Amino acid sequence: AQSVSQHNHHVILSEAASLELGCNYSYGGTVNLFWYVQYPGQHLQLLLKYFSGDPLVKGIKGFEAEFIKSKFSFNLRKPSVQWSDTAEYFCAVRALGNTDKLIFGTGTRLQVFP
Amino acid sequence: ETGVTQTPRHLVMGMTNKKSLKCEQHLGHNAMYWYKQSAKKPLELMFVYNFKEQTENNSVPSRFSPECPNSSHLFLHLHTLQPEDSALYLCASSSAGTSNRETQYFGPGTRLLVL
Repeated sequence: AQSVSQHNHHVILSEAASLELGCNYSYGGTVNLFWYVQYPGQHLQLLLKYFSGDPLVKGIKGFEAEFIKSKFSFNLRKPSVQWSDTAEYFCAVRALGNTDKLIFGTGTRLQVFP
Repeated sequence: ETGVTQTPRHLVMGMTNKKSLKCEQHLGHNAMYWYKQSAKKPLELMFVYNFKEQTENNSVPSRFSPECPNSSHLFLHLHTLQPEDSALYLCASSSAGTSNRETQYFGPGTRLLVL
């Protein structure tokens, strides 16, 4: 069955540190890929998405993600985090031509300390 | 700011109560979704409606009953829930079926506690 893995469950960083959150999925066909963020007490917001084309996708608030098809990965990166990036981050994948459902990972809680 | 609103934001109910969750989307989308978000678990898709027709029921117990009167409104009727049903219930909407570039937009959720 299709699945999405986020191996980092809890990440703690100091401000200005670089961030990389892992996301791997299990499906060999065409995929749509998403990163959502959930700030404390707020709703899930779309950070960025990949449908096709350039595998390096830039999103809001300085985030970017790279789709590496051979590794079935879509890791999220930010060169310098801020305290306001403290949130939970969810990777989601839609396997086109399979279930077409959006499958989410378990999320990564990021804490950034000043 | 979100184009998807949910009420109530918080709900406490006993196992014998009947309550309803409401979702409204202002994005002109044709598809609406209910998800359950529990701690340390992935978001679980519960129901999908496309143009008011239910297209997905992800083996959800019958104590959860969805209703979609039109493409902008979605309800989740709750009755005789169990404590393990306590969770954050999220509504989402999208322009499903129009292309392979569908994006779901989420509401703020209803935090449900079943006593």
